[in-house]
Amino acid sequence: DTGVSQNPRHKITKRGQNVTFRCDPISEHNRLYWYRQTLGQGPEFLTYFQNEAQLEKSRLLSDRFSAERPKGSFSTLEIQRTEQGDSAMYLCASSLVGPSGGSGELFFGEGSRLTVL
Amino acid sequence: QKEVEQDPGPLSVPEGAIVSLNCTYSNSAFQYFMWYRQYSRKGPELLMYTYSSGNKEDGRFTAQVDKSSKYISLFIRDSQPSDSATYLCAMEAENTDKLIFGTGTRLQVFP
Repeated sequence: DTGVSQNPRHKITKRGQNVTFRCDPISEHNRLYWYRQTLGQGPEFLTYFQNEAQLEKSRLLSDRFSAERPKGSFSTLEIQRTEQGDSAMYLCASSLVGPSGGSGELFFGEGSRLTVL
Repeated sequence: QKEVEQDPGPLSVPEGAIVSLNCTYSNSAFQYFMWYRQYSRKGPELLMYTYSSGNKEDGRFTAQVDKSSKYISLFIRDSQPSDSATYLCAMEAENTDKLIFGTGTRLQVFP
């Protein structure tokens, strides 16, 4: 078990460019979450998947953001036309949940840090 | 007003001290309460998980939940320099499937 893997770990881009982050969850986990964390703040929920279905998106996720989880395995988070306000740590987490629901125990990756110049 | 309030610190204590970390919340629907530890430039890792009210102990860590006061605590006994990290409280309401985090409290334990 290699844990949750995120790539790239750090991305520096110019305003207006597109960026994509990848998350590989723990293999048997059916839930995958994306959170955003800015300096001095706790993680904020962005979206989550149950297998390949995206079940909820936060209002924080503007139209420039899109997330996918094809085949219920890895996930990608794309940000189009980046803005300086998008600079943050993007955290991916996965969990294994049963029929009773709930988030389960979230296992986080080390995050992908985005710097928009 | 944020749903979850947490003093950002920093909290600086000598090695061996008892540390008390706290969060308050406003949403009475929260039923699941967690504490995560986050080292610098790392992802959060789960320390303690409590359902509804009560106490839970795990080694040097004790989590308490007081739903009547909307107040949760994490106690760390015999604190060590390796405990130096940011501690995040997190909560979840029934049937919502997402955690709401506090801002985190930065703890420094000096030798």
